[in-house]
Amino acid sequence: KAGVTQTPRYLIKTRGQQVTLSCSPISGHRSVSWYQQTPGQGLQFLFEYFSETQRNKGNFPGRFSGRQFSNSRSEMNVSTLELGDSALYLCASSLGTSGSVTGELFFGEGSRLTVL
Amino acid sequence: SQQGEEDPQALSIQEGENATMNCSYKTSINNLQWYRQNSGRGLVHLILIRSNEREKHSGRLRVTLDTSKKSSSLLITASRAADTASYFCATVRNYGGATNKLIFGTGTLLAVQP
Repeated sequence: KAGVTQTPRYLIKTRGQQVTLSCSPISGHRSVSWYQQTPGQGLQFLFEYFSETQRNKGNFPGRFSGRQFSNSRSEMNVSTLELGDSALYLCASSLGTSGSVTGELFFGEGSRLTVL
Repeated sequence: SQQGEEDPQALSIQEGENATMNCSYKTSINNLQWYRQNSGRGLVHLILIRSNEREKHSGRLRVTLDTSKKSSSLLITASRAADTASYFCATVRNYGGATNKLIFGTGTLLAVQP
């Protein structure tokens, strides 16, 4: 079974641009969540989706948005990039059910974004 | 910040020795998980312990949980050079609803010298 796939793996953008990151979960997994990892702030929860609905959102500005498609694939978008958005963005998937609390999450290798 | 704290921040040991990492958290939890991250890579799930459990084993891993002290520890026995990585604890709060939100600790960087 293929793991969680994130694209692109590396990208460089300049301030003010926008970026879209993609995540394909493990086949059969309906829940996708996103995390930002930086040296200063560590691992921070961005948002999670289940069956195309955002189920929870972290404490990030509105420039950070996401969505989930009917095939469970997810994208996140960051608009008007700032230097501080440079980070490793990690996607995780799980089977998830409408009434469940999370068990094990399966993480992708991440998309490393550098903002110049 | 909601983040948990881990100590030590960094740990260097010789192959064959045991490594112990500690995690403290701030809120009531449903479960606590430990993950490993090799440099710049994704996280790999190691073990999950529920709030009503006190100890759990998986291979060379032993996890304890003390909910009264809001703390957990991860013990890796007979460490190997391949265990060199960052280790994170992550908690799942009791929201009363469905969630996959993990609150991560600050991590412990473990270096195992061959």
